[in-house]
Amino acid sequence: GNSVTQMEGPVTLSEEAFLTINCTYTATGYPSLFWYVQYPGEGLQLLLKATKADDKGSNKGFEATYRKETTSFHLEKGSVQVSDSAVYFCALNFSGGYNKLIFGAGTRLAVHP
Amino acid sequence: AAGVIQSPRHLIKEKRETATLKCYPIPRHDTVYWYQQGPGQDPQFLISFYEKMQSDKGSIPDRFSAQQFSDYHSELNMSSLELGDSALYFCASSSPGPPRDGYTFGSGTRLTVV
Repeated sequence: GNSVTQMEGPVTLSEEAFLTINCTYTATGYPSLFWYVQYPGEGLQLLLKATKADDKGSNKGFEATYRKETTSFHLEKGSVQVSDSAVYFCALNFSGGYNKLIFGAGTRLAVHP
Repeated sequence: AAGVIQSPRHLIKEKRETATLKCYPIPRHDTVYWYQQGPGQDPQFLISFYEKMQSDKGSIPDRFSAQQFSDYHSELNMSSLELGDSALYFCASSSPGPPRDGYTFGSGTRLTVV
């Protein structure tokens, strides 16, 4: 079946540190991949996406590259800020249909000054 | 820009009561998805509608039902509420035509069953 596996959190970093949150997927076919962010008490916001192999999604300093050979979509940011503290969800779906998003378990990021 | 609107934002119900959650998709979006997110959990897909017809079904209990109306808004009806139904319920909508590469989520309805 289709699934997403994320590194467990929480991830605790100091401000300006480098961030990596690992995400790997299992899928029959070629999914689109997403990172969503959820700030405390809020809904899910699309952070970035990639729809085919070797695509790089980027937004607000965050980046992730769709790696078909390693079935991965790791999230990175070169210098995190306190305001980046949130829960990050990796997800996949299959474009062209009506299919649901399949989420990973989420990784909580806490950034300290 | 208009977003996905959910109402109410917060809802407190007692066990065995019923609840109705509403979702208003982005204008011209024809597909609506419902997700349930328990405390500290990832969102779980419940059900989706395309052009007012159910298009997919996930882990939705038999006590729950949903529909999409002619104006594309959707309602999730929950009966015989249990404590375990306490969660954040998200609605998302997507636009017609391929590729369907991502959805816009509402801010959610937080349901507390006491």
